[in-house]
Amino acid sequence: DTAVSQTPKYLVTQMGNDKSIKCEQNLGHDTMYWYKQDSKKFLKIMFSYNNKELIINETVPNRFSPKSPDKAHLNLHINSLELGDSAVYFCASSQVAEQEAFFGQGTRLTVV
Amino acid sequence: KQEVTQIPAALSVPEGENLVLNCSFTDSAIYNLQWFRQDPGKGLTSLLLIQSSQREQTSGRLNASLDKSSGRSTLYIAASQPGDSATYLCAVPSGGSNYKLTFGKGTLLTVNP
Repeated sequence: DTAVSQTPKYLVTQMGNDKSIKCEQNLGHDTMYWYKQDSKKFLKIMFSYNNKELIINETVPNRFSPKSPDKAHLNLHINSLELGDSAVYFCASSQVAEQEAFFGQGTRLTVV
Repeated sequence: KQEVTQIPAALSVPEGENLVLNCSFTDSAIYNLQWFRQDPGKGLTSLLLIQSSQREQTSGRLNASLDKSSGRSTLYIAASQPGDSATYLCAVPSGGSNYKLTFGKGTLLTVNP
């Protein structure tokens, strides 16, 4: 059983398009996250949600809009995609923020 | 602002060797520190989580230590195997919030048969 699952695994799209990445966790965790790994492999937080409430928005452009319909899901919608959005996006979850974080397999987004 | 540094950036060793990966962080007010491995094109796998009250945590051939006061952690890998080849990342909660992890840039480990 996959603990944190993301779909799709790969996403290739043209500039200006709108796309979504879905994330689900079956660990019963109350906190979920989106991280971005850039071309230099550096991982950086984008958003954190606790019990469906936004806790952290790390100066991410408004084109990125996370949505958490319930504690087990945190989806990421991106409007008007730009070349610079190309990266690997990771979803993660933890049971309260102080505990071990588990990551999904990542979604490699390529904007052409 | 929390900053995490990992040394070395890359390491190549022959199979069977014991090795140490280093992680340092600038803000010692942390609840925990977590070590991950990342295989090429894959996600992050959690290896060890050390709480701030602990000094050591062990899992199989892996042993992680934490010295909060000096802002340092080490990951010791005993009897390395080719399957240990991966990028190893350490991460700490940052910015006064446990709701985000700050990662180091990782150590790329290659274990040669």
